[in-house]
Amino acid sequence: EPEVTQTPSHQVTQMGQEVILRCVPISNHLYFYWYRQILGQKVEFLVSFYNNEISEKSEIFDDQFSVERPDGSNFTLKIRSTKLEDSAMYFCASSEVPDPDTQYFGPGTRLTVL
Amino acid sequence: AQSVTQPDIHITVSEGASLELRCNYSYGATPYLFWYVQSPGQGLQLLLKYFSGDTLVQGIKGFEAEFKRSQSSFNLRKPSVHWSDAAEYFCAVDPIKAAGNKLTFGGGTRVLVKP
Repeated sequence: EPEVTQTPSHQVTQMGQEVILRCVPISNHLYFYWYRQILGQKVEFLVSFYNNEISEKSEIFDDQFSVERPDGSNFTLKIRSTKLEDSAMYFCASSEVPDPDTQYFGPGTRLTVL
Repeated sequence: AQSVTQPDIHITVSEGASLELRCNYSYGATPYLFWYVQSPGQGLQLLLKYFSGDTLVQGIKGFEAEFKRSQSSFNLRKPSVHWSDAAEYFCAVDPIKAAGNKLTFGGGTRVLVKP
């Protein structure tokens, strides 16, 4: 069964460094999302992406964040200058055109900022 | 305020017993409703969803959920729990019901299964 994949599974970085989290959505899905879950808190929406542009973004998704679909298969989340409070599990999700409301999630990348 | 609530943070159930997880939402119109499960070290797996129609929805792994408009609830049930059901369960809603819209998650319920 097709699934969303994410790399790396765990990323450790120093505060102020840039990180890029990678996702490969399910092939033929055209809607892409990033969510995050800070330890002990709710899963929170960050951004959605369709047709090579951001559809919606949350207040969390400020100027230090960016997303990109650099090729036909990858979807990336870049955090330009990481802060301690960016430590979280980041989930990528995708959905397809016939059923865009059903999102399928990847296993997540645990980001630890030291 | 618009929200989705899972009143139980932890539930402990014996293997073979039934399980019910509560989810309540507070939105003007009925949102799309989802249940996801997160097993230890895993991502979020979709168990089932409700958009419209029959209010009793069947999902994977033997789970079902019932939508009750009068109670603004979408509770998840399983008649007989297996040890592998130990996980965290999230109720999620899409109140806008538009393509590519965000999901709003409840706080989650962690299920422990006793032998």
